[in-house]
Amino acid sequence: EAQVTQNPRYLITVTGKKLTVTCSQNMNHEYMSWYRQDPGLGLRQIYYSMNVEVTDKGDVPEGYKVSRKEKRNFPLILESPSPNQTSLYFCASSPSGGVLTYEQYFGPGTRLTVT
Amino acid sequence: AQSVTQPDIHITVSEGASLELRCNYSYGATPYLFWYVQSPGQGLQLLLKYFSGDTLVQGIKGFEAEFKRSQSSFNLRKPSVHWSDAAEYFCAVGPGSGGAGGATNKLIFGTGTLLAVQP
Repeated sequence: EAQVTQNPRYLITVTGKKLTVTCSQNMNHEYMSWYRQDPGLGLRQIYYSMNVEVTDKGDVPEGYKVSRKEKRNFPLILESPSPNQTSLYFCASSPSGGVLTYEQYFGPGTRLTVT
Repeated sequence: AQSVTQPDIHITVSEGASLELRCNYSYGATPYLFWYVQSPGQGLQLLLKYFSGDTLVQGIKGFEAEFKRSQSSFNLRKPSVHWSDAAEYFCAVGPGSGGAGGATNKLIFGTGTLLAVQP
């Protein structure tokens, strides 16, 4: 089954404790992206990657890191989480080329709470 | 600046009634337009999309949307709502052909409309 998977689905952590949220897709997509969803703000892009070893900042990259060493994986790293990073996080992927690049497939989400 | 507005935060309709969810965008050129649905505890699923051509587009689950350039709108409609349609709906835009920022594949999302369906 074609899908985007994220782990963990739920995470409660404390301020300053480094964490990684994994994202993997099995559709051989070039493009991958991370969004955060907050009430009243919709989804905002954190980082994106056009292909392996190519990443760039989205609208709200502060406090986050990403890496793209393999095509299928795009982990999101919070080096020193803070309470304002409490949010629902979504990973998405899409093929590259033309209009298909905008048909993004989303993972199930990771709900992160930072205390 | 590019933006998407969903004026209705929360809508309640009766099962079997018709539905229209509003979406307005601000963009310099004709963008690519999307509607996504998010069921409780789930990720976003693409309902339908508009790239060009016929301004009335059909999607999954019986939904349709109409692109109106003069009104900068892309409203989502369904003639008869089912209880399973209760979810949050997001309108999104991406830069159309020739639009700036196309290389980022970036989607700009509205803030969402939460749909409740009464029995």
